[in-house]
Amino acid sequence: AQSVTQLGSHVSVSEGALVLLRCNYSSSVPPYLFWYVQYPNQGLQLLLKYTTGATLVKGINGFEAEFKKSETSFHLTKPSAHMSDAAEYFCAVSGGENYGQNFVFGPGTRLSVLP
Amino acid sequence: GAGVSQTPSNKVTEKGKYVELRCDPISGHTALYWYRQSLGQGPEFLIYFQGTGAADDSGLPNDRFFAVRPEGSVSTLKIQRTERGDSAVYLCASSLEGGRDTSYEQYFGPGTRLTVT
Repeated sequence: AQSVTQLGSHVSVSEGALVLLRCNYSSSVPPYLFWYVQYPNQGLQLLLKYTTGATLVKGINGFEAEFKKSETSFHLTKPSAHMSDAAEYFCAVSGGENYGQNFVFGPGTRLSVLP
Repeated sequence: GAGVSQTPSNKVTEKGKYVELRCDPISGHTALYWYRQSLGQGPEFLIYFQGTGAADDSGLPNDRFFAVRPEGSVSTLKIQRTERGDSAVYLCASSLEGGRDTSYEQYFGPGTRLTVT
């Protein structure tokens, strides 16, 4: 079965600092990988996804993530944090055509941005 | 067009009662998913519809939980004999396609917060 781990349930950064949110997955085959953001009292919104091709994926709001097969990781980064980035971030994995159909979400990382 | 909508936004019920949660997906989306999100956790898969049929209901925790999508659009999640442990936010998502290619983005509704007292 697939699983997703997100190191750090809560991450705090200063405004303007680098954001790094970690995601590791367990899968016997390269899966599809996603990052979602959840603002308070709102639904989840897709930030970016990796399916095939280029391993560095750019998303909305200046976020990007890199798929590293050898490390089974898909860490999310943003060069300079903004106050509006404060939210809950979820990494998700789906198995793709030959493995499984459904999304498995990580437990989430709450990002706080300090002025 | 409109996004995924869910009603009610909040539902408080007594232990043992029956509840129905409604999801209205994005028009034209054939795939519909239900998730449950407990406090401090990520969404947990419950059931997935492709059209009118439940393609995978392996996430439903027990037979008190049931979901339907009779016309391939609106879906209702039904919970019988509610228990306090059922308290959570129930999320619905839809995507343009589903099935074997799960690379399609899922669009999430705002959720229904269920509280069982």
